[in-house]
Amino acid sequence: DIQMTQSPSTLSASVGDRVTITCRASQSIRRWLAWYQQKPGKAPNLLIYDASSLESGVPSRFSGSGSGTEFTLTISSLQPDDFATYYCQQYKSYYTFGQGTKLEIK
Amino acid sequence: QVQLQQWGAGLLKPSETLSLTCAVYGGSFGTYYWSWIRQPPGKGLEWIGEIYHSGTTNYNPSLKSRVTISVDTSKNQFSLKLTSVTAADTAVYYCARERDSGSYLGDYYYYMDVWGRGTTVTVSS
Repeated sequence: DIQMTQSPSTLSASVGDRVTITCRASQSIRRWLAWYQQKPGKAPNLLIYDASSLESGVPSRFSGSGSGTEFTLTISSLQPDDFATYYCQQYKSYYTFGQGTKLEIK
Repeated sequence: QVQLQQWGAGLLKPSETLSLTCAVYGGSFGTYYWSWIRQPPGKGLEWIGEIYHSGTTNYNPSLKSRVTISVDTSKNQFSLKLTSVTAADTAVYYCARERDSGSYLGDYYYYMDVWGRGTTVTVSS
């Protein structure tokens, strides 16, 4: 099994801040990584695929980087709509998700 | 714009069989893999399994002995059955479409790009 570990588990930030969430894989997954945003009571929403490709319709303030075992999701300037939980997911071998990072308003 | 509409029983007793169906509207059915994912209350996401329109399936090894995913291409639907449920199976269950990311050294890779709204399933005596 490929394990995915996100950090931090909780992140407090303010509107306008630049934030970064990290995701580490237990073995190399090349660039087979996606990022999702989930709001309470809603399904996850795809933000980034192939580690750094922005899904159509997703604001350009979201970006992803990394390869191998270490990846990051960056939001360049937080907007009120961005406070949510974020999950990384590997799809190199079946599918496993990180435990999530809850982005809270400071 | 593809949409996934899912339904099924929301309250089960221990040892019963969970049964959910997901219908695909507004898009191609035959060129994608289709997945089920679940999320226990307050917890993270767990992939259950996937099916291709041909009927090829893959399951999470941790659930494989209890899971069956099937497809009805005439209705653009796929279904999940999970047997012998316990309280640990209480979760929101999502269906999702998998988009092809491409291939590398002969292997193909897919990620979930469209999700259903979720169905809450509670297992309680």
